[in-house]
Amino acid sequence: AQTVTQSQPEMSVQEAETVTLSCTYDTSESDYYLFWYKQPPSRQMILVIRQEAYKQQNATENRFSVNFQKAAKSFSLKISDSQLGDAAMYFCAYSQYSGGGADGLTFGKGTHLIIQP
Amino acid sequence: DGGITQSPKYLFRKEGQNVTLSCEQNLNHDAMYWYRQDPGQGLRLIYYSQIVNDFQKGDIAEGYSVSREKKESFPLTVTSAQKNPTAFYLCASSLRTGGTEAFFGQGTRLTVV
Repeated sequence: AQTVTQSQPEMSVQEAETVTLSCTYDTSESDYYLFWYKQPPSRQMILVIRQEAYKQQNATENRFSVNFQKAAKSFSLKISDSQLGDAAMYFCAYSQYSGGGADGLTFGKGTHLIIQP
Repeated sequence: DGGITQSPKYLFRKEGQNVTLSCEQNLNHDAMYWYRQDPGQGLRLIYYSQIVNDFQKGDIAEGYSVSREKKESFPLTVTSAQKNPTAFYLCASSLRTGGTEAFFGQGTRLTVV
């Protein structure tokens, strides 16, 4: 079974600074997908960024970027120019395609990101 | 607007009673999912369905049941066999192709007293 580990239960960063959230995963598959989801206090899950394992290029979405190291099974999220609205729980998630369809996401336990004004 | 609707937002039930959580989507997605979220635990997959009239157990299916009679609907029943039913429940949907974004509902907070 696949597992996703987020080793930082909580992180704090000053507004406008850069912060990196860590994620490692374990899988025997070669073809899979990785995601970062954000859950603000409203508890609505919002997709932040997605990475296909077959792509070597790291995904980027505005101030959010990832460092994907396939051999090390590492998938960290970098948030640049942190804003107060970035304060939330961040979940790393893994998904694979079984051929019959999407099997669902395996989530890490989350990192609570605090933004200091 | 397209999206996923979960109802109710808050639900209270007495111990020993079955309760059904509603999930409806109008995104024309084939795949639907139920997750449970507990403090400090992340989200764990309960059941998922890739097409109508078919569903599979996730990692923590014991004490839960589902049905998928319509593409738009995927209700979850929390039975009396579920030992710790108090939790936050999230429904999601996606296309069947791998790697596509899962869209989530706003969740149902179930409290069993």
